[in-house]
Amino acid sequence: TQLLEQSPQFLSIQEGENLTVYCNSSSVFSSLQWYRQEPGEGPVLLVTVVTGGEVKKLKRLTFQFGDARKDSSLHITAAQPGDTGLYLCAGAYNYGQNFVFGPGTRLSVLP
Amino acid sequence: KAGVTQTPRYLIKTRGQQVTLSCSPISGHRSVSWYQQTPGQGLQFLFEYFSETQRNKGNFPGRFSGRQFSNSRSEMNVSTLELGDSALYLCASSLSAGVGTGELFFGEGSRLTVL
Repeated sequence: TQLLEQSPQFLSIQEGENLTVYCNSSSVFSSLQWYRQEPGEGPVLLVTVVTGGEVKKLKRLTFQFGDARKDSSLHITAAQPGDTGLYLCAGAYNYGQNFVFGPGTRLSVLP
Repeated sequence: KAGVTQTPRYLIKTRGQQVTLSCSPISGHRSVSWYQQTPGQGLQFLFEYFSETQRNKGNFPGRFSGRQFSNSRSEMNVSTLELGDSALYLCASSLSAGVGTGELFFGEGSRLTVL
């Protein structure tokens, strides 16, 4: 069974602070995605990474894919209350297979 | 364009009953996946349908079943409900089946409570 781990499980910070959340697996991903889910809604895709060492930026969010394609991180600069939500990573281990989701990091940004 | 629509949004059932949930994907999307989300287990893959055929299946008992119609709309059914089936059931549509890089577009989910 391929498992994704995410850390931390919960994170509560003040507006303006920076934070990093992590996703890792013992197996190599063919691709990895990050989603954000807000209460009462389904997850929404933030980014897809496919190349080891890849870095993608989306405004204040920076996503990094590990060189070995077994881990990824999401860094948020100057967090805002609107960033509050459940951050999920999802990995595909083989092309053509469905994504496996991690348990998520629940982020709360306090004003 | 319209997003993924799931009905009903909320429902309450008792143990032993059965339930059918419906999902209408984004127009033009032929792949529909179903996930179960619980606080303890997170998002777990149930099954995926593409062009009316079940393409992949997760590790769930046979009480969980699904189907897809020619218009790509999908239904999932859970029979003989158990307390542990209480969860948010999410449907996701995508253009292609399990390609590993495509975006999943999720609906808002159907929240099932089993008493």
